[in-house]
Amino acid sequence: GAGVSQSPSNKVTEKGKDVELRCDPISGHTALYWYRQSLGQGLEFLIYFQGNSAPDKSGLPSDRFSAERTGGSVSTLTIQRTQQEDSAVYLCASSLATGEKLFFGSGTQLSVL
Amino acid sequence: AQSVTQLDSQVPVFEEAPVELRCNYSSSVSVYLFWYVQYPNQGLQLLLKYLSGSTLVKGINGFEAEFNKSQTSFHLRKPSVHISDTAEYFCAVSDGTGGFKTIFGAGTRLFVKA
Repeated sequence: GAGVSQSPSNKVTEKGKDVELRCDPISGHTALYWYRQSLGQGLEFLIYFQGNSAPDKSGLPSDRFSAERTGGSVSTLTIQRTQQEDSAVYLCASSLATGEKLFFGSGTQLSVL
Repeated sequence: AQSVTQLDSQVPVFEEAPVELRCNYSSSVSVYLFWYVQYPNQGLQLLLKYLSGSTLVKGINGFEAEFNKSQTSFHLRKPSVHISDTAEYFCAVSDGTGGFKTIFGAGTRLFVKA
C-alpha cells in the first residue's frame, strides 16, 4: 500500500472488554512497531517485530497486551480486559530495514469508558 | 538497553529567533539517531537522521543536528524559526543492544510566538 494503514481510527469500549487494533504496514517492510502515545506523554515502545525473528515484547505494560504479525505483514495488537488507563493513541510504524526511518500510521484513538 | 532523554518538555521562542532542542541518549554501542516531528493533528515524520559519517546532519525545513559521541548528545537546532515550526519534536535512538529497535524520548513541544 501507499502507507501504513491502521484500523479502526477510533475505538470506544467499556472497561473490561477486549479490543483488537490492526496495522497494515508498507509492503516489503520487514520491521514493524507498536507504540502508545498518551496525552502529554512521549511515544512508549510496546513491541517490535523484525523479519522472522522472535518479537521484542519488552515494552508491553502487562500480560493483558499481546500482538502478533501474520505472514510477516499485517499485525494485530490485542488488549484484554481493558482498563481506563489503556486510553491512548496506539501508533503502528514500519521500516524497510534496520536503521531506516519509520513510517507511521495515523493511529487508533482508544477510549475506555 | 538504550534510552533517550529530552531535557525540555516545552520550549517557547519568538519567531525568527534561534532554537536548540536538547537530546541525550544512553548506549554503549554504535547508535543510529533520529529526530521526528509531529505537527498539530498530523502524524510523525522524519526530520533527519544520523547513521554514520559527518557528525553534522542537515534535515528538512532548515533543521540540523550534531552528533556528539563524547557527550552522548544529538541536539536539534534551527537558526531562525517560523510560526509553522510549532510542533512536537521527538528524539529517537536505535542500537544493537536492543536489536536495533527504535526508542523515543518524551518529546519537546516547540511553541513559536509572533
